[in-house]
Amino acid sequence: QKEVEQDPGPLSVPEGAIVSLNCTYSNSAFQYFMWYRQYSRKGPELLMYTYSSGNKEDGRFTAQVDKSSKYISLFIRDSQPSDSATYLCAPTRGAQKLVFGQGTRLTINP
Amino acid sequence: KAGVTQTPRYLIKTRGQQVTLSCSPISGHRSVSWYQQTPGQGLQFLFEYFSETQRNKGNFPGRFSGRQFSNSRSEMNVSTLELGDSALYLCASSLETGQGQPQHFGDGTRLSIL
Repeated sequence: QKEVEQDPGPLSVPEGAIVSLNCTYSNSAFQYFMWYRQYSRKGPELLMYTYSSGNKEDGRFTAQVDKSSKYISLFIRDSQPSDSATYLCAPTRGAQKLVFGQGTRLTINP
Repeated sequence: KAGVTQTPRYLIKTRGQQVTLSCSPISGHRSVSWYQQTPGQGLQFLFEYFSETQRNKGNFPGRFSGRQFSNSRSEMNVSTLELGDSALYLCASSLETGQGQPQHFGDGTRLSIL
């Protein structure tokens, strides 16, 4: 069993929709949770960074962590075609070793 | 502020050769980590360097090695290249090590083995 499970998609939604991206993890020692966005032929770009359980909002993006169920979510409101990318969840215990999910490929259709 | 810079962007090598990849972190960042990205395995951690010392290591064979210089720049070396080493190699930097410091990635070096 992988430490981090993420549905690879692809996920296709119309412009303006609310997008929900999710990961589950097995290691209860994970304390820091990051979401990255990766465009084709580019490196991952840090979107959100949260510590422990709870919600964090940044513009149209909301990250949610539920440590009791080992469930991580990223919500995108008012989705735009420019949000089309691969989204990667990456928890860590505190060392600089990120454990990435497989990534979900998202397409926003105009 | 300049981001993480990786050179070269593309490399083509043949089996048995060796290769050296370079990474310049964001100015002021002292920790540099390396990752391998393949379609099958996704992103996997190779190693992390901080203050010229390897702090963490992933599950890769000894053919993969790295080093960090006093200016925080880092190099990664792969010896005796195999076809399976074809991948995107990504470098990430952070201010410090530990405590889940946010990591910022470069655009990678795409290595193709013929």
